[in-house]
Amino acid sequence: QVHLQESGPGLVKPSETVSLTCTVSGLSVSSTFYWGWVRRSPGKGLEWIATVYRDGSTYHNPSLRSRVTMSIDSSKNQFSLNLKSVTAADTAVYYCARAHVVATDLFDHWGQGTLVTVSS
Amino acid sequence: EVVLTQSPATLSLSPGERATLSCGASQNIGSFNYLAWYQVKPGLAPRLLIYGASTRATGIPDRFSGSGSGTDFTLTISGLEPEDSAVYYCQQYVSSGSTFGQGTRLEIK
Repeated sequence: QVHLQESGPGLVKPSETVSLTCTVSGLSVSSTFYWGWVRRSPGKGLEWIATVYRDGSTYHNPSLRSRVTMSIDSSKNQFSLNLKSVTAADTAVYYCARAHVVATDLFDHWGQGTLVTVSS
Repeated sequence: EVVLTQSPATLSLSPGERATLSCGASQNIGSFNYLAWYQVKPGLAPRLLIYGASTRATGIPDRFSGSGSGTDFTLTISGLEPEDSAVYYCQQYVSSGSTFGQGTRLEIK
């Protein structure tokens, strides 16, 4: 059974870059599934951030594209998210997830989430 | 961008009752009805309930059902149980740039 676990710094200062990692067990990130990040904030509910495939190709939310970088590391069975120039509006619980076979942005397995707080 | 509007914002019902949650799209989702529903509880992994507007995801009990097409969709939960307390989100995944509704909070009295 596939299991996903997010890890991150917890607290980040405004204007800095937050780096999050998702460690996957039970399935290789090099398999034919897409992998993504979604966040949940009090003001905006759920928001899709980006999705990555095993070859490194990435699909971004247009509103976040300029600040988001995703990567995938098959040797560690992980994928990562970098979000730069963060502000208080980026405070949220960040989830990593596996996409369903029918669509790249439909997620059928999720991690429990990691809280990122942006504050000085 | 496809905007999804969920109603009501909050729903308070008793165990055994039926919950009806609505999701309206600003544009036609299309013939494949790329509309999903998720259940989100604090501290837990979100759970995919329904995709394709009406297909239950793996392991989801038949108390959960989805319907609708075009721009109007509904999630129905019958025989409510205390564990159904959660926030429910709809999501469209038809266009590049998937979007979610703002959520409906379901409280079981």
